[in-house]
Amino acid sequence: GDSVTQMEGPVTLSEEAFLTINCTYTATGYPSLFWYVQYPGEGLQLLLKATKADDKGSNKGFEATYRKETTSFHLEKGSVQVSDSAVYFCALSDPGAGSYQLTFGKGTKLSVIP
Amino acid sequence: NAGVMQNPRHLVRRRGQEARLRCSPMKGHSHVYWYRQLPEEGLKFMVYLQKENIIDESGMPKERFSAEFPKEGPSILRIQQVVRGDSAAYFCASSPSTEDYEQYFGPGTRLTVT
Repeated sequence: GDSVTQMEGPVTLSEEAFLTINCTYTATGYPSLFWYVQYPGEGLQLLLKATKADDKGSNKGFEATYRKETTSFHLEKGSVQVSDSAVYFCALSDPGAGSYQLTFGKGTKLSVIP
Repeated sequence: NAGVMQNPRHLVRRRGQEARLRCSPMKGHSHVYWYRQLPEEGLKFMVYLQKENIIDESGMPKERFSAEFPKEGPSILRIQQVVRGDSAAYFCASSPSTEDYEQYFGPGTRLTVT
C-alpha cells in the first residue's frame, strides 16, 4: 500500500536558518503530494501541494518539488522564523487509483529559537 | 466563509461509555473524511463519506466504531463502549468533490477516556 516516510524530529533551528525536512513516498499510482502544518492545539492547514512530477509547490516562503525519480517531496525554507514553529506533515493521495484518503507521515516537530 | 467545524473540542468519557463526535463540513462540501491521531503519531485515515453514503471505511476498526453523514445535519463519528486506547485526537476534513479533492481540516476533537 501507499506510505510516506519523513525525517524524524524534533528539529531545532535558530531564526533565519535554512530548513529542510525530508519526505519520501511509496505509491502504486501517480499520487498528489502535500505538506500540512499543525500549530499547537489546532487542526492541520494545507501548506503547499504538487499534483504531478516536477511540479513545485510554494507558500509563505516554503517550497517542495515533486521528484518522481527519487520519490521525494522535501520541504525547504531559506530563512525560518519563530512563528514557523509547528509540526509538519508530508502526505499523499492517489485519486488515480481510486483512493481519496490522505496517507500521512509521522510528522516532524520544528522549533525555531530567537 | 466558515471552515470545518467540529464539536466538542474536548470530550472526556469513562470506559464503557459512548462518544459522539460531530463534524460540519465547509459550505458547499459534500465529502467528509475522518482521521485519528494518536499521541506522537501522524494521522490515520478512518472513513470517507458522502451524503448518506459510506464510500470507504477501510480504516475503521471493525467493532464499536461507526460513522454517518445524513442528508441533513453534521457527520457523526460514534464510538461505543470506549476503552483507554480510543484516547486520541479525531480530525474531520471536507472537500468539495472528487475532482477537487483538496481536504480542509477542522480543529479536531480530543477524546480522553478515563
